[in-house]
Amino acid sequence: NAGVTQTPKFRILKIGQSMTLQCTQDMNHNYMYWYRQDPGMGLKLIYYSVGAGITDKGEVPNGYNVSRSTTEDFPLRLELAAPSQTSVYFCASSYTWDGELFFGSGTQLSVL
Amino acid sequence: AQSVTQLDSQVPVFEEAPVELRCNYSSSVSVYLFWYVQYPNQGLQLLLKYLSGSTLVKGINGFEAEFNKSQTSFHLRKPSVHISDTAEYFCAVIRRGGGFKTIFGAGTRLFVKA
Repeated sequence: NAGVTQTPKFRILKIGQSMTLQCTQDMNHNYMYWYRQDPGMGLKLIYYSVGAGITDKGEVPNGYNVSRSTTEDFPLRLELAAPSQTSVYFCASSYTWDGELFFGSGTQLSVL
Repeated sequence: AQSVTQLDSQVPVFEEAPVELRCNYSSSVSVYLFWYVQYPNQGLQLLLKYLSGSTLVKGINGFEAEFNKSQTSFHLRKPSVHISDTAEYFCAVIRRGGGFKTIFGAGTRLFVKA
């Protein structure tokens, strides 16, 4: 079972560049999430989705965009990368809206 | 709103010693509680969860946690740790019936020494 798959694992961007972090899950979960993890700060919710075509902002959405065209995929878009977006990004999914989260292995992003 | 405080940022302990990782939460409504573990260079995985019922919850790898409603705590314990338990541990809460937004603590780094 693949679970939640994220690509790429590592990326270095220059300030102002754009990129898309890919996330796909094969568990048929309706609920999907993007978190960022900064040292000593825990995880902060960027965006979430409750199903195909439905997304909403989390705690720290500025500078990011998402889309959810299928149940399986939930890509995260950075339009104009800034140094403050240097972080580790995790995609997650869940079966219920208040249940256990299943995480991908993360993307380490550096913006220089 | 909910919040989570993990009282120790780092916990060094010798192998085969007991360990307790402390977690306090704040919420005006009922919550579900979780502990997740993150091994180096990996994503988080569920260690255990408290939804209802018995306040003592057992999880994977010999860990257990006790829900204390009066003290709003959910401390994680293991009677004898192994080198392989070296990881970061996150306490998390989510509002019952009003989900989407799991709130995580800042994490506790457990370092097991030989």
